[in-house]
Amino acid sequence: AQSVAQPEDQVNVAEGNPLTVKCTYSVSGNPYLFWYVQYPNRGLQFLLKYITGDNLVKGSYGFEAEFNKSQTSFHLKKPSALVSDSALYFCAVRDDASGGSYIPTFGRGTSLIVHP
Amino acid sequence: KAGVTQTPRYLIKTRGQQVTLSCSPISGHRSVSWYQQTPGQGLQFLFEYFSETQRNKGNFPGRFSGRQFSNSRSEMNVSTLELGDSALYLCASSSQANTGELFFGEGSRLTVL
Repeated sequence: AQSVAQPEDQVNVAEGNPLTVKCTYSVSGNPYLFWYVQYPNRGLQFLLKYITGDNLVKGSYGFEAEFNKSQTSFHLKKPSALVSDSALYFCAVRDDASGGSYIPTFGRGTSLIVHP
Repeated sequence: KAGVTQTPRYLIKTRGQQVTLSCSPISGHRSVSWYQQTPGQGLQFLFEYFSETQRNKGNFPGRFSGRQFSNSRSEMNVSTLELGDSALYLCASSSQANTGELFFGEGSRLTVL
């Protein structure tokens, strides 16, 4: 079975400061991990993914995420937050184990608020 | 390349009615998934179609159904609408079955009165 947790409903950060949005996962095999962003009244947009290889993944809009196998985490980070980064962020995981579903499981989302 | 297109964007129905939502995936994408998004439940998977076949199904009652056509366009139908069906319904397409990211449409916001 696969599951994902986003422990924070909301993250507040000042513009210009670094931001981190946390995500932990559980899978039977190896994880395929994804981050998506949703702006108000819009669909989800893909930010980045980890399949294999380098643990630090770079994505769109200056975001990056670090895969940590021992801590089963995939935290989203950005060195310097912008007010326009304010949105809802979703982490998703899919298990590559044999017999696993092609369907990713999404976290409940974390609302990021960047204050001017 | 055009993105995922969902119609209608907004609709209002009354209890007991039925509704059909449409989704046109990105050209070349053969997998189409549907999700229901509500403030309380987050994103919940409804079903996934691949080459006109339902390949995966979430835990929703039989009132929720879908289909996919030969051109990969998909529709979902909800019959006998309930107040709790009010939600944003999101369609997503994917080009790769196993590692690919999902490309979402803007969604269809359904309000049931």
